[in-house]
Amino acid sequence: AQSVTQLDSHVSVSEGTPVLLRCNYSSSYSPSLFWYVQHPNKGLQLLLKYTSAATLVKGINGFEAEFKKSETSFHLTKPSAHMSDAAEYFCVVSGGTGRRALTFGSGTRLQVQP
Amino acid sequence: EAGVVQSPRYKIIEKKQPVAFWCNPISGHNTLYWYLQNLGQGPELLIRYENEEAVDDSQLPKDRFSAERLKGVDSTLKIQPAELGDSAVYLCASSLGSGEQFFGPGTRLTVL
Repeated sequence: AQSVTQLDSHVSVSEGTPVLLRCNYSSSYSPSLFWYVQHPNKGLQLLLKYTSAATLVKGINGFEAEFKKSETSFHLTKPSAHMSDAAEYFCVVSGGTGRRALTFGSGTRLQVQP
Repeated sequence: EAGVVQSPRYKIIEKKQPVAFWCNPISGHNTLYWYLQNLGQGPELLIRYENEEAVDDSQLPKDRFSAERLKGVDSTLKIQPAELGDSAVYLCASSLGSGEQFFGPGTRLTVL
């Protein structure tokens, strides 16, 4: 079985300050981990993915995440928030039955204040 | 390159009525997925197709939901009859094999 827990349902930051979105995972397999972003009325977009290569993964729009096996965490960070980063972010794990099933967390809504 | 196309984008129906959603995946993508996203939650897989074969439909409520992908390209997801609890966003995604999944914008269903 696999699951992800996003520790914050809402995060609010000021523009130009760092972003931290927290995610813990549970998996019986060596997991692949992803972060997706969902802007209102738009499709889910892949930000970055971890597939057992480098533990520090860089994604689009300045986001990065670090895989920490000892802590079963995959937190998403960005040094400086931009207004356009306001969206819903999902931590996702795969590796279950058929190894293609994606299990999504419940999401973190990021607000960016001017 | 066009992304995953879904229609309609919005649908409002009365309970007990039938409804159908259509998905056109990215050209060349042999794997197609239907997800259900309830308000405030992450998407959950309903069914996965490899070409025209449904290889994972364990989460599809088969008493009222059905899906098809007759020629291994477009897919249709149907609900008959719809219930109030079916109000949600229905997402379609496609991938080339086990590669990255690309998502469509979704169909927002409201059942009154």
